[in-house]
Amino acid sequence: AQSVTQLGSHVSVSEGALVLLRCNYSSSVPPYLFWYVQYPNQGLQLLLKYTSAATLVKGINGFEAEFKKSETSFHLTKPSAHMSDAAEYFCAVGNTGGFKTIFGAGTRLFVKA
Amino acid sequence: DSGVTQTPKHLITATGQRVTLRCSPRSGDLSVYWYQQSLDQGLQFLIQYYNGEERAKGNILERFSAQQFPDLHSELNLSSLELGDSALYFCASSVAKLAGVNEQFFGPGTRLTVL
Repeated sequence: AQSVTQLGSHVSVSEGALVLLRCNYSSSVPPYLFWYVQYPNQGLQLLLKYTSAATLVKGINGFEAEFKKSETSFHLTKPSAHMSDAAEYFCAVGNTGGFKTIFGAGTRLFVKA
Repeated sequence: DSGVTQTPKHLITATGQRVTLRCSPRSGDLSVYWYQQSLDQGLQFLIQYYNGEERAKGNILERFSAQQFPDLHSELNLSSLELGDSALYFCASSVAKLAGVNEQFFGPGTRLTVL
């Protein structure tokens, strides 16, 4: 079975500060990992995806995530937050034999001016 | 714009009623997924169809059903509606069968309010 835990339902940062959104996963087989972003009144869109090719994955809008197998983590970071980054972020896990992608509960990011 | 369309955008109805939500996937995508998003339950996977056939089931209630038509659009039918069914319903699509490895493209959602 697979599962995803996102630590912190709300994260608040100042504009220009580092963004760190935490995700830990559980999987008995090599996982595929995703980060999606949901802006207000919109559907989810893919930020980045890990498929075992490289442990550091770069995504859109300056975000990146590092796969750490020993820590079963896939934390999302951005060096400098922008007001437009305010949104809800979802970590998700899947695998080649799986019938579905499991989404975490989401972390809402607030960016203060 | 993800290329996935959903209608209607908003739906207000009464308890006990039945509604149909419609989704058109991105051109070329064969898989369609339905999700329910609510404040207390988060994003819940309901069901997946691939090329007209049911592929995977999640936390879908017996009062809910879905289908995918030959032109690949999909409909989610919700019946005997309860207050707790009020939520945002998303449709997503992907090119292939395996949900666990493919990016999903989400529509803008249908907000259902049951009064």
